[in-house]
Amino acid sequence: AQKITQTQPGMFVQEKEAVTLDCTYDTSDPSYGLFWYKQPSSGEMIFLIYQGSYDQQNATEGRYSLNFQKARKSANLVISASQLGDSAMYFCAMREGVRTGNQFYFGTGTSLTVIP
Amino acid sequence: DVKVTQSSRYLVKRTGEKVFLECVQDMDHENMFWYRQDPGLGLRLIYFSYDVKMKEKGDIPEGYSVSREKKERFSLILESASTNQTSMYLCASSLGQGPLLAKNIQYFGAGTRLSVL
Repeated sequence: AQKITQTQPGMFVQEKEAVTLDCTYDTSDPSYGLFWYKQPSSGEMIFLIYQGSYDQQNATEGRYSLNFQKARKSANLVISASQLGDSAMYFCAMREGVRTGNQFYFGTGTSLTVIP
Repeated sequence: DVKVTQSSRYLVKRTGEKVFLECVQDMDHENMFWYRQDPGLGLRLIYFSYDVKMKEKGDIPEGYSVSREKKERFSLILESASTNQTSMYLCASSLGQGPLLAKNIQYFGAGTRLSVL
C-alpha cells in the first residue's frame, strides 16, 4: 500500500486565490511527522511546513497552512493568496517516528500552475 | 542556513562507465540520503546513512553503492552506468534521531540530472 497518496497530478489557480493540495497517508505508527516540500523548475526541494502527529493545532508558516485531519489521515496543504512564484511541484512526505532509519516516504507530487 | 551541495548539476556519461555523485553538507547532520526522482514516480530512496561508514539500503539499491568516509560527505556510485539510470538524483541530510523523532526535516541539494547514453 502507498504510504503517501497525492491524487492531483496537476492543479491550476488564479493569482491571489487560495488553493488546496491534497495528501493522504497510511501508517500504524502513533508517532509520525508530515512534511510538504516545494520543487521549482530549478530542481531544489524546499521545505515548506511540518505537522507532528501529536500536534493539537494545524501548522502554519506564512501563506502556507496544513489542514491536518488525523482521523481521515489527510494532511492537505493550503496556499493562500497565490503568487506566480508558487508555480512548482509540491510533494507531501511522511516520516514514521518509532521505526528506525529516518526514512521519508514521498508522494508522487502535484504540479501547481498559478495563472496571472 | 543548512547547505547541501551536490557536485554537479548536469552530468552526461556513457553506458558502462563508473559514475560518482558527490554530496556535502555543512550542518554536522548525522543522516544523509540519496534519492532518484522520475516523472510520475516521485522520490525513491536509494540508500541512506545514519553515521560515518554506516549505510542502509533504501527501496531501489540495485545498481548503486554508497560511501560515507566522513560525516559531511556522502557519495553515490553507479558501478556500471546503464541507460535506465538516467534520472534526477537528489541528496538530502537531516539532523539525527534526537528527542523529536518524527520532526527531522530533510534538507536537499539542488539535484544532479544524469544522462547515460
